Amino acid sequence: EADIYQTPRYLVIGTGKKITLECSQTMGHDKMYWYQQDPGMELHLIHYSYGVNSTEKGDLSSESTVSRIRTEHFPLTLESARPSHTSQYLCASSLLGGDTQYFGPGTRLTVL
Amino acid sequence: QKEVEQNSGPLSVPEGAIASLNCTYSDRGSQSFFWYRQYSGKSPELIMSIYSNGDKEDGRFTAQLNKASQYVSLLIRDSQPSDSATYLCAAQAAGNKLTFGGGTRVLVKP
Repeated sequence: EADIYQTPRYLVIGTGKKITLECSQTMGHDKMYWYQQDPGMELHLIHYSYGVNSTEKGDLSSESTVSRIRTEHFPLTLESARPSHTSQYLCASSLLGGDTQYFGPGTRLTVL
Repeated sequence: QKEVEQNSGPLSVPEGAIASLNCTYSDRGSQSFFWYRQYSGKSPELIMSIYSNGDKEDGRFTAQLNKASQYVSLLIRDSQPSDSATYLCAAQAAGNKLTFGGGTRVLVKP
């Protein structure tokens, strides 16, 4: 069982608000990822990190930003939420030398 | 052309039958392959990984890899209603990011 956590699980907010989605893992994984997934649609990689102070943009352009100050923590921030940001956000992690990714439970975000 | 392609389904199978899911990938440098199961509204969970040509069995699941044909498949034997979900195929070249297919939705009918 993977120990990766996301909070909040559900969030409904108004347009223009700043939000931070939290992701933490207790497995000591160096690699962490953020995916965006609309209902019934594909997973899209939006950010990833291979270690502390390392962050990269993924395949899907996103207005969000991430930081990696601690190995176990990889928060995602939206400075000004819009209805187009409504989606499910999934965090995942893997070992630096490994490839299997373990997913957190996800945050379902609704922007009104 | 997508890097990892799957038939979106739905693949409808009667309970107790074998469900056969297919996946093709375009990057010949891909070395690691994964099947994830995702229930509606939930996050993906790993079912199997496969790295070498041939078959790999784990319980009711068998993954098959053919690198020459750039083809990965998943067989689910004795399908149960609880197997109804979307199955995601993923491929990874060494050191690179995981690339997911769009998923195949499986419906197991009692």
